Amino acid sequence: RKEVEQDPGPFNVPEGATVAFNCTYSNSASQSFFWYRQDCRKEPKLLMSVYSSGNEDGRFTAQLNRASQYISLLIRDSKLSDSATYLCVVNDLIQGAQKLVFGQGTRLTINP
Amino acid sequence: GAVVSQHPSWVICKSGTSVKIECRSLDFQATTMFWYRQFPKQSLMLMATSNEGSKATYEQGVEKDKFLINHASLTLSTLTVTSAHPEDSSFYICSARVIDKRVRQYFGPGTRLTVT
Repeated sequence: RKEVEQDPGPFNVPEGATVAFNCTYSNSASQSFFWYRQDCRKEPKLLMSVYSSGNEDGRFTAQLNRASQYISLLIRDSKLSDSATYLCVVNDLIQGAQKLVFGQGTRLTINP
Repeated sequence: GAVVSQHPSWVICKSGTSVKIECRSLDFQATTMFWYRQFPKQSLMLMATSNEGSKATYEQGVEKDKFLINHASLTLSTLTVTSAHPEDSSFYICSARVIDKRVRQYFGPGTRLTVT
């Protein structure tokens, strides 16, 4: 079983739609959680951290359920510029070192 | 946010040659630097972790004699791919971590390596 699992998609949605991504992680001791965005042939960029209380940044809402080991990302009123691959990332303590573990990524295309 | 640079951004080399990739944290000192590799349509895979002045820690399955990592200062780490083969063609991304009140990790723009 992969440590961080995502639906790879692709998701194709019309502009203005609401889209939701899900992610599960296997290590119950994982310490912190993030969503990154990666454009084609570019490096990942931090979109937002994810907290149990849930957090919102403009059109983006992230949620963490520690009991279910489940992370979500909701994008409202999607824009063409939201087209990218969204990576679910977990920060784990592995053999005494903190390491980011990446999901496979979910590819999103917003259509005009 | 903090800036991490990588050089070169892309490189084409012949089989059997070596390629060095530099990673620099431009406006901060990184306690730890990471090297990742990403094949097409796959996610980032951690290759190794390096701390300034000490030997790198390699992930399982990564050959330390093939992927030489040097972390000479708090702002510079280098990855040398020795005796490159076509299967080493990939997108190599470095990342630098700062730990103050919280853990923050910044990624370089990546280096696309093509071995012919």
